[in-house]
Amino acid sequence: DQQVKQNSPSLSVQEGRISILNCDYTNSMFDYFLWYKKYPAEGPTFLISISSIKDKNEDGRFTVFLNKSAKHLSLHIVPSQPGDSAVYFCAASAISRGSTLGRLYFGRGTQLTVWP
Amino acid sequence: DAGVTQSPTHLIKTRGQQVTLRCSPISGHKSVSWYQQVLGQGPQFIFQYYEKEERGRGNFPDRFSARQFPNYSSELNVNALLLGDSALYLCASSLGGNNEKLFFGSGTQLSVL
Repeated sequence: DQQVKQNSPSLSVQEGRISILNCDYTNSMFDYFLWYKKYPAEGPTFLISISSIKDKNEDGRFTVFLNKSAKHLSLHIVPSQPGDSAVYFCAASAISRGSTLGRLYFGRGTQLTVWP
Repeated sequence: DAGVTQSPTHLIKTRGQQVTLRCSPISGHKSVSWYQQVLGQGPQFIFQYYEKEERGRGNFPDRFSARQFPNYSSELNVNALLLGDSALYLCASSLGGNNEKLFFGSGTQLSVL
């Protein structure tokens, strides 16, 4: 049963515009959320995270928004650059519920393509 | 600083064989997790070890086993390989505690024929 869902397998955006990647989750015990980026032939790379006590976290061009009531989070990339083209994974954990350290639940990923 | 290293990078096995995958965490990291990524899916949690003790196991059969050594490196073993075990196996390390920022290796691509 997929507890973290990324319903858009792909997204295509022009360079300089905003990229918005969406993620939904079903487990209300999740309290920590992360985004990872993955290039071909490489492992996932941590991008940004957010705790459930916040609704927004920014890091440079990347902002993650969390809507707990809707069990929805999104990653905004502004402005988008061709080097951002990669697969983006949403992941969740239930730290306060004693979830095993290092155990993350991943979505299936969204392939982002940024074209010039 | 060296990142998480995994070996081998690619492996081809036949059904019924056994395989051992290896992982060296980032220096100073005491927690190692293993994930399986099937094509088109996100990584699925297999095991987590912290300070050489198993701290969690995902929904995988007993054919999958792992261990962590005193130097915090880790091995993942899979017995009686099935075609469905073909996947990218990712190792991730972290400092431990409530730090869920995992650092992943590039993975071992296992093909079972």
